[in-house]
Amino acid sequence: GAGVSQSPSNKVTEKGKDVELRCDPISGHTALYWYRQSLGQGLEFLIYFQGNSAPDKSGLPSDRFSAERTGGSVSTLTIQRTQQEDSAVYLCASSLQAGGPGELFFGEGSRLTVL
Amino acid sequence: AQTVTQSQPEMSVQEAETVTLSCTYDTSESDYYLFWYKQPPSRQMILVIRQEAYKQQNATENRFSVNFQKAAKSFSLKISDSQLGDAAMYFCAYRIVGGSNYKLTFGKGTLLTVNP
Repeated sequence: GAGVSQSPSNKVTEKGKDVELRCDPISGHTALYWYRQSLGQGLEFLIYFQGNSAPDKSGLPSDRFSAERTGGSVSTLTIQRTQQEDSAVYLCASSLQAGGPGELFFGEGSRLTVL
Repeated sequence: AQTVTQSQPEMSVQEAETVTLSCTYDTSESDYYLFWYKQPPSRQMILVIRQEAYKQQNATENRFSVNFQKAAKSFSLKISDSQLGDAAMYFCAYRIVGGSNYKLTFGKGTLLTVNP
């Protein structure tokens, strides 16, 4: 596709369930980022990938959160045993390369609601 | 750690008027990049303008310009001739040059309302 694609657009789940959020970056973009956007909290960095490697996982809030990227393309963010505080919009972005002045291209996000 | 502060949670402007959104940042680095991103109700973030710290000239993109004050660590966004389509959340962001940390650090955003 022409842009960054995220799915699902909206997800409602029950507390304790696992969820997977998918990000399909722009073709050829080597860097991929995950951010979490909570109401009034701006964008919180979670993790970024350079190719299939994740040099910086410092933003993952707990060990319930994990992410992987395969084939230098699609990435999946997995949240295990979801909690109500995990409710947020999860944004994915990609860029041609990591670092530099390069623009990040964002998807429309996945809104997660944990009941 | 680098931090980005946007002191105005909300701003409003009349259509065709000019508005300035504030951003300050804290860093010990001498070289870095600064960005303004716009997030309309559709949720998709769009780059508005960027500035490289080693360039003294302020960046300009059509109706959008910045006032970059390196010593004061200030990076404000000016929107001239505001249009209804400018209504959005605006985020200021920072990234260092070089090193191994490529993440963008964002402020909490300023919600801009444009009144007809």
